[in-house]
Amino acid sequence: NAGVTQTPKFRILKIGQSMTLQCAQDMNHNYMYWYRQDPGMGLKLIYYSVGAGITDKGEVPNGYNVSRSTTEDFPLRLELAAPSQTSVYFCASSPTGLLNTIYFGEGSWLTVV
Amino acid sequence: GIQVEQSPPDLILQEGANSTLRCNFSDSVNNLQWFHQNPWGQLINLFYIPSGTKQNGRLSATTVATERYSLLYISSSQTTDSGVYFCAVDGAGGTSYGKLTFGQGTILTVHP
Repeated sequence: NAGVTQTPKFRILKIGQSMTLQCAQDMNHNYMYWYRQDPGMGLKLIYYSVGAGITDKGEVPNGYNVSRSTTEDFPLRLELAAPSQTSVYFCASSPTGLLNTIYFGEGSWLTVV
Repeated sequence: GIQVEQSPPDLILQEGANSTLRCNFSDSVNNLQWFHQNPWGQLINLFYIPSGTKQNGRLSATTVATERYSLLYISSSQTTDSGVYFCAVDGAGGTSYGKLTFGQGTILTVHP
């Protein structure tokens, strides 16, 4: 049982490039989330999903896309990377959507130059 | 949307000291969670505490939902307590699906 696995852990992108951050969970959780954490700040919700085939925007969705074709995977796509997207990205999952059952991945550090 | 404010923003302690961290929120919440982010960036669940008081070893937390605040107490602090402490809430008003709104955190540094 690996929990929530994010790849890559570190990545440097050039402005205008695209990439996908991968997130996988092996706990059969319905709810999955992507957050970003800027330096010195709390996390902000980018997108979330309540089950396979269902996604919705969070607080800061601009510049990102997601898909949820399976229960296990919730990739985050960055199109046309911008310096403002330099951040640490956290994926999380939960079986019920309750805070006491949320599990976070270890984070992906992304720098756009 | 709901606003979450944490205080103090920074806290420096000597090992063995006690501290209180505060979280104020602007509206009713379904749920509230305290997290510790260690120096490696890992987020660790401390307390799920939408109301009432809970204790876990040297840490305890109290949420007074009617007055919209929560407190995290750390007693006999240790250097391993260093890191950032976040309060996060799941706003009330319908189904929120566990979407979290985080405060900006309190940076705690414990010196030996």
